[in-house]
Amino acid sequence: QSLLTQPPSASGSPGQRVTVSCSGSSSNLGKNPITWYQQLPGTAPKLLIYNNNQRPSGVPDRFSASKSGTSASLAISGLQSGDEADYYCASWDDSLNGWAFGGGTKLTVL
Amino acid sequence: EVQLLESGGGLVQSGGSLRISCAASGFPLRSFAISWVRQAPGKGLEWVSTISPDGTTTYYAKSVKGRFIFSKDNSKSTLYLQMSSLRGEDTAIYYCVKEGYCTSTYCYEGFHIWGHGTTVTVSS
Repeated sequence: QSLLTQPPSASGSPGQRVTVSCSGSSSNLGKNPITWYQQLPGTAPKLLIYNNNQRPSGVPDRFSASKSGTSASLAISGLQSGDEADYYCASWDDSLNGWAFGGGTKLTVL
Repeated sequence: EVQLLESGGGLVQSGGSLRISCAASGFPLRSFAISWVRQAPGKGLEWVSTISPDGTTTYYAKSVKGRFIFSKDNSKSTLYLQMSSLRGEDTAIYYCVKEGYCTSTYCYEGFHIWGHGTTVTVSS
């Protein structure tokens, strides 16, 4: 069981906005920043969001994120077929003394 | 260009040992923490271990603690994950990952640069 909980799947049509949630606890999201990763099929993951809501250079502003307490969400607007991927949240967990990943959300573009 | 290149994966029998390596280039290895993150076939990402920039502190997931040892040789810009008492559930792609996304003023937590991964298969 992952310490961070994500829905296993999400979907949307091209152009729509979709959100992916990530729920944690006081030992991870309650104290530490969240990061988000995109894993396109057959490739290594890529950092999508750091420090709760910051985008690395090169990540389109269609991707946004927020965190409140022990919950967080990733939003993708203007959905494109190329956004079809697995999305993971991650945060340091003080009880685990290690990184915790969510189970991942498979995004399907209809 | 910042790069991480894993090697050493392969097929090993249950109970056996294997050492995988990660060659780092394009950044000062002694300035950044490095982690191993694995992904079992068809499954999600699982953090395995992290080593501090100076190599003096290591952290391990409960699932590998006591069986895996993470070390680094800054002079060779190479990191090693010595895996022993391997089990079927250790079968996965192992990614070497540079931590820390740095802006002009600060480095933030996060798995910034990922290698392509090396595949470890444990057979029973």
